[in-house]
Amino acid sequence: DAGITQSPRYKITETGRQVTLMCHQTWSHSYMFWYRQDLGHGLRLIYYSAAADITDKGEVPDGYVVSRSKTENFPLTLESATRSQTSVYFCASSESSSGGRIAANTGELFFGEGSRLTVL
Amino acid sequence: QQQVKQSPQSLIVQKGGISIINCAYENTAFDYFPWYQQFPGKGPALLIAIRPDVSEKKEGRFTISFNKSAKQFSLHIMDSQPGDSATYFCAASINAVLRQGAQKLVFGQGTRLTINP
Repeated sequence: DAGITQSPRYKITETGRQVTLMCHQTWSHSYMFWYRQDLGHGLRLIYYSAAADITDKGEVPDGYVVSRSKTENFPLTLESATRSQTSVYFCASSESSSGGRIAANTGELFFGEGSRLTVL
Repeated sequence: QQQVKQSPQSLIVQKGGISIINCAYENTAFDYFPWYQQFPGKGPALLIAIRPDVSEKKEGRFTISFNKSAKQFSLHIMDSQPGDSATYFCAASINAVLRQGAQKLVFGQGTRLTINP
């Protein structure tokens, strides 16, 4: 079934370790996003990508790295995990409103089911 | 200026009642106001959205009311049902705030809605 999937769904790690959260979508959406969800803060944008090989920072990018070598995958890496990065991470995708490699996205986000990360 | 403030943080409503969640914003350049619904263990999903050229949009039991002059918008759930129990997020965005044509959605803090049977 087409959709957006995240893995792992749950992860416990220790401070200083590297962690990679995976995101895969089957819709061929141009845009992909990573958000973190924390109580009292709603959803905050970490990184986004408009197309393969094009990524950019959101509002809380520090401590995170992304890549997008293929349209369908958008992994998020915590290079050296900290306790403040304990959160639920959501990947999302969005389609373009018109044709072309870089076109405005429609605004509707399709979210994965989230990855709950605990950093001890 | 990029914030969207949502209230209340939690809300309990009896079955059949009206649930009302409010959001306020400062940036008058926002031009798209969606509401997302999130069930436990799931990602948020678009529920309903409005653009500022209309004051109200209704889809079934869900209505967005939009007050441009007050810079406020709200979600009304009529005849609330236990199945509506979820966390609701309001959001706002501006076209091309992010580079490369991406709309940046700014989310409110969320409201946990519980409908008692």
